Amino acid sequence: RKEVEQDPGPFNVPEGATVAFNCTYSNSASQSFFWYRQDCRKEPKLLMSVYSSGNEDGRFTAQLNRASQYISLLIRDSKLSDSATYLCVVNPGGGNKLTFGTGTQLKVEL
Amino acid sequence: ETGVTQSPTHLIKTRGQQVTLRCSSQSGHNTVSWYQQALGQGPQFIFQYYREEENGRGNFPPRFSGLQFPNYSSELNVNALELDDSALYLCASSRTGTGANVLTFGAGSRLTVL
Repeated sequence: RKEVEQDPGPFNVPEGATVAFNCTYSNSASQSFFWYRQDCRKEPKLLMSVYSSGNEDGRFTAQLNRASQYISLLIRDSKLSDSATYLCVVNPGGGNKLTFGTGTQLKVEL
Repeated sequence: ETGVTQSPTHLIKTRGQQVTLRCSSQSGHNTVSWYQQALGQGPQFIFQYYREEENGRGNFPPRFSGLQFPNYSSELNVNALELDDSALYLCASSRTGTGANVLTFGAGSRLTVL
């Protein structure tokens, strides 16, 4: 079983749609959780951290369910500029080693 | 504030050769991590350097080695290159303490092994 699993997509959605990505992780001792965004042939960039209480940043909402070892990202009112690969990222045990999922590709269309 | 810079951006090598990739960390960051990203995959942790010593290693063979210098810059060396080493190599810097988990990535070095 992979440490971090994501549906690779692609998710093709119309502009203005709401889209949700899910991710599961295998290590129950994992301490920190993130979503990174990666544009085609570019480096990953931190989108947001994920907290147990859930957190929101504009059109983006992240949720963490520790009991189910499940992380989600919700994007409302999708924009063309949201087209990218979204990487689910887990810190399994402190320190700065991060474990990345394979990423979910999002394509927002007119 | 300067970001993370990597060099070279692209390079082509043949099997059996050796390669050195370089990384300058973001100002104020003292920790450097290296990741390998194969096509269609997420980045895979290679190792991390802090205070010029390796501080954690992923599932990579010893022919992957690194250095960190007093100015926190770093090198990744790969010996005896194999075709499967073809990938984007990402350097990420961070700092210890608050925000330690937040990595800033460089644009990467894209290595092709023929």
